[in-house]
Amino acid sequence: ETGVTQTPRHLVMGMTNKKSLKCEQHLGHNAMYWYKQSAKKPLELMFVYSLEERVENNSVPSRFSPECPNSSHLFLHLHTLQPEDSALYLCASSQDTGTSSYEQYFGPGTRLTVT
Amino acid sequence: GNSVTQMEGPVTLSEEAFLTINCTYTATGYPSLFWYVQYPGEGLQLLLKATKADDKGSNKGFEATYRKETTSFHLEKGSVQVSDSAVYFCALRNSGGSNYKLTFGKGTLLTVNP
Repeated sequence: ETGVTQTPRHLVMGMTNKKSLKCEQHLGHNAMYWYKQSAKKPLELMFVYSLEERVENNSVPSRFSPECPNSSHLFLHLHTLQPEDSALYLCASSQDTGTSSYEQYFGPGTRLTVT
Repeated sequence: GNSVTQMEGPVTLSEEAFLTINCTYTATGYPSLFWYVQYPGEGLQLLLKATKADDKGSNKGFEATYRKETTSFHLEKGSVQVSDSAVYFCALRNSGGSNYKLTFGKGTLLTVNP
């Protein structure tokens, strides 16, 4: 595997379900990100982790719970979601967060549908 | 705060036509500017970037020039191909503070017909 991978690629869940999204980066990066991509809206940064510590929580509802057990893996735990949470969830990684020259590499995303 | 405005799509062109996708921005300081491309079913890929005024980013025949005086970073390509069909995102990132934060435009869908 190379780059940034995400599983599952598609997920349908009911509002009472609990599920998790997984992201893995094979680039040796130290920073990882979760973004939400909704139709007709700009990408929204949700969470940022640097060296497994959360450095950004962008006013995201508590029904989204991130976890970063090591610098290569990032999870997004979902519970009691709402239909408006249906979106494409993108994971990204970068070498670090500390300099503006580092490019973010994106995974293919998980298409989430909440019924 | 920062913001990016790019032209509403969708844009539909014939193969070998000239492409322009407009992008303007509002930011404090001296941001870096980016164009990302998202092909169907894939994540975003960096297409090109410029880090200071008058810089020109280029890649795969696409170009964009950082114009500080007009706060613009328009994407151009002289002859598009069917394989260029994708969604294009303009983005900026500040040079200081939380400089990992990317601010994106809403995206412009480009469809190129044979």
